[in-house]
Amino acid sequence: QKEVEQNSGPLSVPEGAIASLNCTYSDRVSQSFFWYRQYSGKSPELIMSIYSNGDKEDGRFTAQLNKASQYVSLLIRDSQPSDSATYLCAVNGYSGGGADGLTFGKGTHLIIQP
Amino acid sequence: DGGITQSPKYLFRKEGQNVTLSCEQNLNHDAMYWYRQDPGQGLRLIYYSQIVNDFQKGDIAEGYSVSREKKESFPLTVTSAQKNPTAFYLCASSAAGNQETQYFGPGTRLLVL
Repeated sequence: QKEVEQNSGPLSVPEGAIASLNCTYSDRVSQSFFWYRQYSGKSPELIMSIYSNGDKEDGRFTAQLNKASQYVSLLIRDSQPSDSATYLCAVNGYSGGGADGLTFGKGTHLIIQP
Repeated sequence: DGGITQSPKYLFRKEGQNVTLSCEQNLNHDAMYWYRQDPGQGLRLIYYSQIVNDFQKGDIAEGYSVSREKKESFPLTVTSAQKNPTAFYLCASSAAGNQETQYFGPGTRLLVL
């Protein structure tokens, strides 16, 4: 059974500071890693995807992957009140190239304080 | 205007009733998925389909059924065998391949009367 673990929070961060969200996963053969943002009552929207060890930057967002430690993180720089949401970590496994479903963590509730 | 549509936005089910949730995409994606989200929880996979006329059970398929007769459509039926159906149901689609991003529809909220 694949598992993805996240701290549920809430994580409270002052406006303008860096928010750091963390995720660990159990399946060592996992290949693809995604961060989704979900506002209350809405569907998830993709923030970042990462597939290789190291950092990947996109604007204010940086995803970090360490496959040896089975650890994924998301950094949000210059946090804005509009970043307040639940952030879902999702992991895909390997099944010979097919498009399988994702395994999601329960999400971290992030609050940016003005 | 490309995207994924789900209908209805809200659905009420009576005891013993089967209900069907609609999911349509015009992104030309091969793969489609159904997830369930309970309050304060992450998403759990119900069924997925990598190609027309083929689908696989996810982690919580009991009490649900699907069909994939057209590439664009992947309806989900919540049967009377699903004893706790109240949840937020999300449909997603992606191109083929494990590294492809899944894009989500707006969701259907199912409530039991």
